[in-house]
Amino acid sequence: GENVEQHPSTLSVQEGDSAVIKCTYSDSASNYFPWYKQELGKRPQLIIDIRSNVGEKKDQRIAVTLNKTAKHFSLHITETQPEDSAVYFCAAWGGTGANNLFFGTGTRLTVIP
Amino acid sequence: DVKVTQSSRYLVKRTGEKVFLECVQDMDHENMFWYRQDPGLGLRLIYFSYDVKMKEKGDIPEGYSVSREKKERFSLILESASTNQTSMYLCASSQFRGSRNTIYFGEGSWLTVV
Repeated sequence: GENVEQHPSTLSVQEGDSAVIKCTYSDSASNYFPWYKQELGKRPQLIIDIRSNVGEKKDQRIAVTLNKTAKHFSLHITETQPEDSAVYFCAAWGGTGANNLFFGTGTRLTVIP
Repeated sequence: DVKVTQSSRYLVKRTGEKVFLECVQDMDHENMFWYRQDPGLGLRLIYFSYDVKMKEKGDIPEGYSVSREKKERFSLILESASTNQTSMYLCASSQFRGSRNTIYFGEGSWLTVV
């Protein structure tokens, strides 16, 4: 099955700086890559996703890039704010015929005011 | 707005007890999932179901079973709870079978087995 690796596991940035989280996947047939944000004590919520026919997608201060050849995708958050502090999970929809998402192990982002 | 509801937010059970975790979604989604979340391990899939009475094993099915008698409801069962099943359990659903589907999560159920 699909294997998703995520780095770093923890990330601290100063407010206003950018944050980048990187993920790699193993199954070249994977074609959907969402990112989830989980605030303390709350459910993971989808913040952005990208499909395999697109190289980059942006939504205000967040963007995701996908390199299918290298099998990696990244989340970029610009002008970080304290409310961006959370755990972020990347995921990949696994391969042909697969019916579920495979998640990375998460990145705990702390934005220091 | 999609709503995935987990009936119990916090449970404390004794070793050997049978535990039921219930999940209901109100958007007529075909797929339902149970994940387990542990620090440093991310979200690991226990079981999923793409139709009523259908189930498939995920990455860590041992010690768990599931039931899907109605489309909107998916139950996770711990036949004999053990301390290593202390964790946060997340139910989720998505609309269609196959890829390119957004998964929506419930609020989670914190289970402590003593």
